[in-house]
Amino acid sequence: GQQVMQIPQYQHVQEGEDFTTYCNSSTTLSNIQWYKQRPGGHPVFLIQLVKSGEVKKQKRLTFQFGEAKKNSSLHITATQTTDVGTYFCAGPETSGSRLTFGEGTQLTVNP
Amino acid sequence: SQTIHQWPATLVQPVGSPLSLECTVEGTSNPNLYWYRQAAGRGLQLLFYSVGIGQISSEVPQNLSASRPQDRQFILSSKKLLLSDSGFYLCAWSTLLSYEQYFGPGTRLTVT
Repeated sequence: GQQVMQIPQYQHVQEGEDFTTYCNSSTTLSNIQWYKQRPGGHPVFLIQLVKSGEVKKQKRLTFQFGEAKKNSSLHITATQTTDVGTYFCAGPETSGSRLTFGEGTQLTVNP
Repeated sequence: SQTIHQWPATLVQPVGSPLSLECTVEGTSNPNLYWYRQAAGRGLQLLFYSVGIGQISSEVPQNLSASRPQDRQFILSSKKLLLSDSGFYLCAWSTLLSYEQYFGPGTRLTVT
């Protein structure tokens, strides 16, 4: 079945440093989504990328979808303590009813 | 706007006791509904999903079951809880036209 892998599993940064998490799928995806889960909270949808090579920005967050539509990345510029949490990528199964989630990257930011 | 409710927020149950977790969605019709479980510090494990009333797909064979008695209601049940059932249970919904999922606040279940 489809697999979605994320690296790194953990990332510790000093406040102000940049952060990047990478997502790779075993199959070509029709789209890829990113979610953020704050400690003790539930996953929250951040963004969906659909087009090959697409780049989208949300303030300090930059999301990229690979040309082959099998990989994606999330880059945070100048991290802040509010960025703490686990970031998940997810891609739809062929049927479209289910999402395959990556294992997530847990980000901690030291003030 | 759409909202999703889950209750209870936390639950402590003894081994062997039954379980019923409820999830309801407001502000949308005919949503896809999902139950996930998340162990501490881990990813999301899809347990069940439903594309309509009475239509349940099970992803992981275990002592849990799910039902969808109404369009916007999704229930997770167990007749006898195991210690391994402890975790963070999340309900989510999506529309038929889009893939993104919206999660409820979750229920933290501890089986003792």
